[in-house]
Amino acid sequence: GAGVSQSPSNKVTEKGKDVELRCDPISGHTALYWYRQRLGQGLEFLIYFQGNSAPDKSGLPSDRFSAERTGESVSTLTIQRTQQEDSAVYLCASSLVSRGSSYEQYFGPGTRLTVT
Amino acid sequence: KQEVTQIPAALSVPEGENLVLNCSFTDSAIYNLQWFRQDPGKGLTSLLLIQSSQREQTSGRLNASLDKSSGRSTLYIAASQPGDSATYLCAVISGYSTLTFGKGTMLLVSP
Repeated sequence: GAGVSQSPSNKVTEKGKDVELRCDPISGHTALYWYRQRLGQGLEFLIYFQGNSAPDKSGLPSDRFSAERTGESVSTLTIQRTQQEDSAVYLCASSLVSRGSSYEQYFGPGTRLTVT
Repeated sequence: KQEVTQIPAALSVPEGENLVLNCSFTDSAIYNLQWFRQDPGKGLTSLLLIQSSQREQTSGRLNASLDKSSGRSTLYIAASQPGDSATYLCAVISGYSTLTFGKGTMLLVSP
């Protein structure tokens, strides 16, 4: 079956512009996660969604970052007024359940964002 | 706050060698630990998942062990091949559902 897909694969934007990144999780996966990987650094958690529960936004670095998810399907991560420090690979993952489960997280290929 | 450390940061070995990658975590109250592989410009590929009740998992030439009490995991790669060259990431799920990652070990296997 299809894995996690993300679009676009690459995005170059000018400082100050808004960007939207999209994630399509594996069908049937109720949990969806966004992570960020900046050059030379480890992956950082941003936000996760579990079913109809309120999302855990504790990893979002500023109020310029927001994310939405439609039911248990597509999610979009929006970055407003982009800054150069937002340049990173944004990775999306999904899993069957969350909250301390033992289910694996499956990652998409990522979106490489470059802010000029 | 959970912290994950991976040693070494980089490793270069000749083809055919057996090798061990190390991962340590500060909070032993984890639900599971995952080892991933990341190729340049690509996403993450899950290699092995060890649940907190398990001691090890094996897949082909890979063997991962977990010692929760000491906060350590190792990834053993047998008979390394050039195709194993990648960055290997260790991640744990503890109090929340999200993965906490180490910074990875960059492995280069030369022919």
